[in-house]
Amino acid sequence: GAVVSQHPSWVICKSGTSVKIECRSLDFQATTMFWYRQFPKQSLMLMATSNEGSKATYEQGVEKDKFLINHASLTLSTLTVTSAHPEDSSFYICSAYKSGRRTDTQYFGPGTRLTVL
Amino acid sequence: ILNVEQSPQSLHVQEGDSTNFTCSFPSSNFYALHWYRWETAKSPEALFVMTLNGDEKKKGRISATLNTKEGYSYLYIKGSQPEDSATYLCAFDGSGTYKYIFGTGTRLKVLA
Repeated sequence: GAVVSQHPSWVICKSGTSVKIECRSLDFQATTMFWYRQFPKQSLMLMATSNEGSKATYEQGVEKDKFLINHASLTLSTLTVTSAHPEDSSFYICSAYKSGRRTDTQYFGPGTRLTVL
Repeated sequence: ILNVEQSPQSLHVQEGDSTNFTCSFPSSNFYALHWYRWETAKSPEALFVMTLNGDEKKKGRISATLNTKEGYSYLYIKGSQPEDSATYLCAFDGSGTYKYIFGTGTRLKVLA
């Protein structure tokens, strides 16, 4: 397998503040990482695809100015939720392909639970 | 809008029972179907990547089948154990998209 970590595992913040979530591939390099969001009783939904050294690609309906993604190295992608509001409270989880081959599978971090008060 | 559905949403079985659940996905533009096992507070664990119609894969007591023509995959657990308790997710990977579309999962509880 492959190991992906996320930090923090949970965070509580006040409305209007920004929160940064880190996603790291610990034992492999990942040129592409993916960010998902899961609301209660719903499925994991892809938010954006993070590409090392270039701009992220956002899914329809995801505000790129609100969810800033930086993939500055082959092992780290960060998601910053800017000016967070209660409706941004959700479970955020990242993933990456280990080998870069699509016949491989995406390996996931353990996720981050964000609560905005 | 592509839809991936899993059933049942949840189930309880007794230790030693065998069980199975279903993932339904679009039958067109298929590339791969992924199964994951997800325990609370842990990372989803990859179980199987299924790519060919008729595929059958096995990992210990867990196995999966794939029918791409009719758009479904079954996951089977033989002789369930309490440690099998988890949420089982399937993800549809459509050709040309590189994007996973997940079902909502089947939550399994194995009672000792």
